Amino acid sequence: DGGITQSPKYLFRKEGQNVTLSCEQNLNHDAMYWYRQDPGQGLRLIYYSQIVNDFQKGDIAEGYSVSREKKESFPLTVTSAQKNPTAFYLCASRHRGENTEAFFGQGTRLTVV
Amino acid sequence: GEDVEQSLFLSVREGDSSVINCTYTDSSSTYLYWYKQEPGAGLQLLTYIFSNMDMKQDQRLTVLLNKKDKHLSLRIADTQTGDSAIYFCAEKGGKLIFGQGTELSVKP
Repeated sequence: DGGITQSPKYLFRKEGQNVTLSCEQNLNHDAMYWYRQDPGQGLRLIYYSQIVNDFQKGDIAEGYSVSREKKESFPLTVTSAQKNPTAFYLCASRHRGENTEAFFGQGTRLTVV
Repeated sequence: GEDVEQSLFLSVREGDSSVINCTYTDSSSTYLYWYKQEPGAGLQLLTYIFSNMDMKQDQRLTVLLNKKDKHLSLRIADTQTGDSAIYFCAEKGGKLIFGQGTELSVKP
């Protein structure tokens, strides 16, 4: 079945450790996005990529890094420089055309203790 | 820059109509979207409207667009308890910007 998969669903890490969240899609989508969701703040864009080997910072990129070596994969690394990393992280993908639906993964809830 | 604003909460009784409002800043947006998020899950597209349209109806959903005021609304007719969720409006630029989300609570 085609879709977009985030793993793991829940992730716990100690403060000061880097952690990488996985996002894989088999929809042949060019564009992929990472959002962070906090209560009352909706979705805030961290990074996005319109094409392989290229990505741009979103509104809250500090303390995060990404790579886009393959079309299917857009992993997000939460570094120790991110001051408040505990949040719900959502990955999305879509075709690059004018009106294309964004498909979302089920999210990863990261808790840093 | 691009910005999308929504009110955070809406509470209605089952059977009533719900109206969720959204304002946006990017006048070049060609498409505007409404997404629904169930608790602990990702977002699913509900409906969209092209910027040269004023209204779009899809079963119980009606989308109204006032391009002059950059105001978008989603009306849900005969709201059911299963409609309880967070609703996001979004505009399509390169970034795909979402509003804060409106939490709709439907009381029996």
